[in-house]
Amino acid sequence: EVQLVESGGGLVQPGGSLRLSCAASGFTFSNYFMSWVRQAPGKGLEWVANIKQDGSVKYYMDSVKGRFTISRDNAESSLFLQMNSLGAEDTAVYYCARYVRASALYYIDFWGQGTLVTVSS
Amino acid sequence: DIQLTQSPSFLSASVGDRVTITCRASQDINSYLAWYQQKPGEAPKLLIYAASTLQTGVPSSFSGSGSGTEFTLTISSLQPEDFATYYCQQFNSYPLTFGGGTKVEIK
Repeated sequence: EVQLVESGGGLVQPGGSLRLSCAASGFTFSNYFMSWVRQAPGKGLEWVANIKQDGSVKYYMDSVKGRFTISRDNAESSLFLQMNSLGAEDTAVYYCARYVRASALYYIDFWGQGTLVTVSS
Repeated sequence: DIQLTQSPSFLSASVGDRVTITCRASQDINSYLAWYQQKPGEAPKLLIYAASTLQTGVPSSFSGSGSGTEFTLTISSLQPEDFATYYCQQFNSYPLTFGGGTKVEIK
């Protein structure tokens, strides 16, 4: 059974940093792109970042470029999101997600339960 | 960036109704579109990918169609467990983007 379990969320002051982790199990982690998607309270879904299987290619939404870094440890089947210079607009539930990219098919097929990040003084 | 516009943003319907949600893209995205269902307090769940392919385990009452810039998600007969918010997402180009969501509520 595919499982994605996020951790590391919490309350952080504006300008602060936080590192989110996602522990993956039930599939061969190194075979998949992975994603972070967020959802502000009461709002819609917003894609944040993607990382290729070997970590060599990364994509980010514009508003987090230069502040957030996605990374992975395939030996530990773990995904990370380092978030710096956090602002109130980054307050959201952050989901770790498995991204399928094969034979011209692209979609996110599994999501973790999410971890809440609150940026407030 | 590719904008996805979902309509309606809110829909009130009864059990047994046929429901159609539309997702319009600001430019051609081929068939690189997925649909998700999200219930309060839960993670999204994949329903449809490649615009019309039903994810394993999803009831056949759900169907997707379209290509290019206009896509639809149809629920042929709404069940109590289908009351939720639905999102489309495009995978044609980065940044990946979502539609604003359609909340389906009980009439």
